[in-house]
Amino acid sequence: SQKIEQNSEALNIQEGKTATLTCNYTNYSPAYLQWYRQDPGRGPVFLLLIRENEKEKRKERLKVTFDTTLKQSLFHITASQPADSATYLCALDGYGGATNKLIFGTGTLLAVQP
Amino acid sequence: GAGVSQTPSNKVTEKGKYVELRCDPISGHTALYWYRQSLGQGPEFLIYFQGTGAADDSGLPNDRFFAVRPEGSVSTLKIQRTERGDSAVYLCASSLQENTEAFFGQGTRLTVV
Repeated sequence: SQKIEQNSEALNIQEGKTATLTCNYTNYSPAYLQWYRQDPGRGPVFLLLIRENEKEKRKERLKVTFDTTLKQSLFHITASQPADSATYLCALDGYGGATNKLIFGTGTLLAVQP
Repeated sequence: GAGVSQTPSNKVTEKGKYVELRCDPISGHTALYWYRQSLGQGPEFLIYFQGTGAADDSGLPNDRFFAVRPEGSVSTLKIQRTERGDSAVYLCASSLQENTEAFFGQGTRLTVV
């Protein structure tokens, strides 16, 4: 089965710096990969989707890369702000056509210090 | 409503009791998903509906769990003979169609005592 690894330790950075979060997966290559943000007591909120044939995708201060050779996605937040503090979840589609289901990582907690 | 609505937001029940959790998806979304999230973990897939039918229920942990979506809109997750290990946040999500972004509700926190 697919295993997704995200940094379990919290990432602490200074306001204005770029935050980089890592998502590694083992086993099969997904058709697409998604990143979500989750605040305490709330459901995940969709941020970006990147497909297997895309290397990079951007949205405002967010950038996602997808390296199917390394089996890794990097999620960058540039010019980070304290309001960016949250848990960020990486999610992959299911195996072998089960693209309706998302397999989530455990998430990385980002803390942006003012 | 504008987003996915889940009720109740919190539910405390005694071990062995039956519970129902409700999800109102975004209007017009044909795909509906149930996930379960334990503390410090990512959401874990339970079941997926496309319209009224359960297209994939491979994530349901055992036969105590059941979900319905009789009219292709509102869905109810039903848990029989609850156990303490069922305690978690149950998340519902909907999407316009499969393979597109999913919109999550705020979840129902279930505590079995």
